[in-house]
Amino acid sequence: ETGVTQSPTHLIKTRGQQVTLRCSSQSGHNTVSWYQQALGQGPQFIFQYYREEENGRGNFPPRFSGLQFPNYSSELNVNALELDDSALYLCASSRQGARETQYFGPGTRLLVL
Amino acid sequence: ILNVEQSPQSLHVQEGDSTNFTCSFPSSNFYALHWYRWETAKSPEALFVMTLNGDEKKKGRISATLNTKEGYSYLYIKGSQPEDSATYLCAFQGYGGATNKLIFGTGTLLAVQP
Repeated sequence: ETGVTQSPTHLIKTRGQQVTLRCSSQSGHNTVSWYQQALGQGPQFIFQYYREEENGRGNFPPRFSGLQFPNYSSELNVNALELDDSALYLCASSRQGARETQYFGPGTRLLVL
Repeated sequence: ILNVEQSPQSLHVQEGDSTNFTCSFPSSNFYALHWYRWETAKSPEALFVMTLNGDEKKKGRISATLNTKEGYSYLYIKGSQPEDSATYLCAFQGYGGATNKLIFGTGTLLAVQP
């Protein structure tokens, strides 16, 4: 059973650019959630995808968007990057169900200059 | 705004010491409480999902308890080893909104000295 993988591991962008982060979910999982961890904070929920539809969103602006594909892998897109978007971005996959364990990938470290 | 707080922020112990940390969360709309162990440069590792008041779960030398009425959970590590050094995160899951949305605390950083 393969775990959750994310790519790339690190990324440097400049303000105003756009970025796409990728996540492959664990085998058998149909739900992917994305989190942002800024320095000194716990991970913050961005949104969740279930069966290719957004299934809940945290307090993030519309320039944060996502996709989920038929194989349940997912992308996080961020447009018009701002300096404060510098953070570790984590994805987590799970089976659909309210109390299912979420399995996290190692994250993508994004630096916006 | 839902607040999940963890204490202490960091902890330094000697090998063999037993230790515990606290996670405080809203006592209303409780659905589940998750514990994770996160080593530097690795993925957060799921430890426990706790759902019932009075729950107690154990995994090797690590155990956790849950009090949903007063809104806290304790994580215990018995006989700490250097490999236990990590950040321990708790996450609250409440009713409503995204089914699997987790609200995390800022974590407790544990350093175990040999």
